[in-house]
Amino acid sequence: QLQLQESGPGLVKPSETLSLTCTVSGGSISSSSYYWGWIRQPPGKGLEWIGSIYYSGSTYYNPSLKSRVTISVDTSKNQFSLKLSSVTAADTAVYYCAVHGDQNWFDPWGQGTLVTVSS
Amino acid sequence: NFMLTQPHSVSESPGKTVTISCTGSSGSIASNYVQWYQQRPGSAPTTVIYEDNQRPSGVPDRFSGSIDSSSNSASLTISGLKTEDEADYYCQSYDSSTVVFGGGTKLTVL
Repeated sequence: QLQLQESGPGLVKPSETLSLTCTVSGGSISSSSYYWGWIRQPPGKGLEWIGSIYYSGSTYYNPSLKSRVTISVDTSKNQFSLKLSSVTAADTAVYYCAVHGDQNWFDPWGQGTLVTVSS
Repeated sequence: NFMLTQPHSVSESPGKTVTISCTGSSGSIASNYVQWYQQRPGSAPTTVIYEDNQRPSGVPDRFSGSIDSSSNSASLTISGLKTEDEADYYCQSYDSSTVVFGGGTKLTVL
């Protein structure tokens, strides 16, 4: 059974780059059945999809974040990563990684990690 | 941009039935599958309905999903409400290479 775990700094300064990694266990990130996605949730607000990647490296991003987002995959470590540049306080959120198929059903999700943008 | 609109909150008594709507802003909501997620405070979302009306194993049959093309909306119905059903519920779909979540509905069971 797939399990996902986010990791990375909990505090990032404004204008810097937020970097998170999601480690996958219980299955291979190179499986042709899955896409690997990032979703975030600002405190007290709803869910926002950030983007997804296929094991081959093919990506698709939320148009509202596309200019600042890079998602990559490291098959040797069974991990995928998120980079969000030029962050502001509005990027403060719990960041989740999740797996989905081509019908975009996200399951399971990682437990989430809170990233605060503050000087 | 495609959007999904949900009521901000609903409330109902234990044992009753509640329906949460999710209305698509354009196109046909029936063109792509709709999922529903339950999120309790401090926890990650979990699936209660996928592909419009399918229940993952372990989700009770009190949860059901449907699509109404005439109103371009999806619905999540929870029957025999229990206090443990109190949570936030999010619909989610897909359009033009973009994954979209509804704004979420807070369900209060009182």
